[in-house]
Amino acid sequence: RKEVEQDPGPFNVPEGATVAFNCTYSNSASQSFFWYRQDCRKEPKLLMSVYSSGNEDGRFTAQLNRASQYISLLIRDSKLSDSATYLCVVEGTYKYIFGTGTRLKVLA
Amino acid sequence: DAGVTQSPTHLIKTRGQHVTLRCSPISGHKSVSWYQQVLGQGPQFIFQYYEKEERGRGNFPDRFSARQFPNYSSELNVNALLLGDSALYLCASSDGTSAQPQHFGDGTRLSIL
Repeated sequence: RKEVEQDPGPFNVPEGATVAFNCTYSNSASQSFFWYRQDCRKEPKLLMSVYSSGNEDGRFTAQLNRASQYISLLIRDSKLSDSATYLCVVEGTYKYIFGTGTRLKVLA
Repeated sequence: DAGVTQSPTHLIKTRGQHVTLRCSPISGHKSVSWYQQVLGQGPQFIFQYYEKEERGRGNFPDRFSARQFPNYSSELNVNALLLGDSALYLCASSDGTSAQPQHFGDGTRLSIL
């Protein structure tokens, strides 16, 4: 089993749609979680940290479910500019463990 | 403020050669991590350095080595290059404390012919 698993997609959604991504992790002792966004051939950029109580940043909402060992990202009112790969990250001991990423394409 | 800077941007090498990649962290950050990203995959952890000491090592062969300098900049060295080493090499910096996010440089795109 991979340490961090994501559905690679692609998710093709119309502008204005709501889309959700899930990510599962294997190490129950993991403490820190993040979502990064990566545009084609660019570096990953921090989208948001994921807190136990859940957190929201504008159109983006992140949730953590420790019991089921998954984290989620919800994007509301999708924009064309949201098209990218979304990487789920779990912090291990002195390293980040990345999922393979989920590709999102927002269609006009 | 400058972000994480990496050099060179692109590099073409042939099998058997060696390569040195460089990274300067965000000012004030003491931790540097290196990742390898091949097409269609998420970044894979190679090394983490903190205060010039290796703090973590991923599942990469001994051909991969790194070091961190007193100014917290870092080098990644790869010897005896193989075709499979073709990838985007990413450097990330953070303050080194748990739960603080890492910030990535633009990466070095390495192609092996």
